[in-house]
Amino acid sequence: DVKVTQSSRYLVKRTGEKVFLECVQDMDHENMFWYRQDPGLGLRLIYFSYDVKMKEKGDIPEGYSVSREKKERFSLILESASTNQTSMYLCASSSVPRTQYFGPGTRLTVL
Amino acid sequence: DQQVKQNSPSLSVQEGRISILNCDYTNSMFDYFLWYKKYPAEGPTFLISISSIKDKNEDGRFTVFLNKSAKHLSLHIVPSQPGDSAVYFCAASGQTGANNLFFGTGTRLTVIP
Repeated sequence: DVKVTQSSRYLVKRTGEKVFLECVQDMDHENMFWYRQDPGLGLRLIYFSYDVKMKEKGDIPEGYSVSREKKERFSLILESASTNQTSMYLCASSSVPRTQYFGPGTRLTVL
Repeated sequence: DQQVKQNSPSLSVQEGRISILNCDYTNSMFDYFLWYKKYPAEGPTFLISISSIKDKNEDGRFTVFLNKSAKHLSLHIVPSQPGDSAVYFCAASGQTGANNLFFGTGTRLTVIP
């Protein structure tokens, strides 16, 4: 079974803090993705990566950055957390075929 | 611009009856479609997919139908069970980049015992 793990299930941070969300997959997938999910808006793509050290902006990259130093690990960084970044963050990975497999999510609250 | 649309935010069905969830897309380059199921506070789990070379794919109680000319797909759940109560997301992909998925906004299904 594909396993995607995320470092935290719940996280509470203060405005202005730097936040790191970690994602690890164990299936040697080339592609990894970060989404945020908000009520009524579905899943919105923040960043994705199709290879080590490669990254591409998704639909809503502002306020975020990413790092992919190893194939199995994809990190999402909030440089200076703001209250409008309170959300559920979901990591996914995929290979061929195009099915993406998701981690359990991190519920981030920024106060 | 939402390329994948789920126009029904919610659906309620009696246990044992059929649930039909609908999805429309606008991009004719999409050639692979998926349905995901999501429980609260969990990540989405893959349910079923269909390639554009098919018009139907079945897996147990779940069947996905694809109508390419109408750019429409649907998920049928028969018979519906209380454990099927969740948010269902439709997603579509074309052969570009990292094969990104474009998601709909979800439909919350409630199966009433």
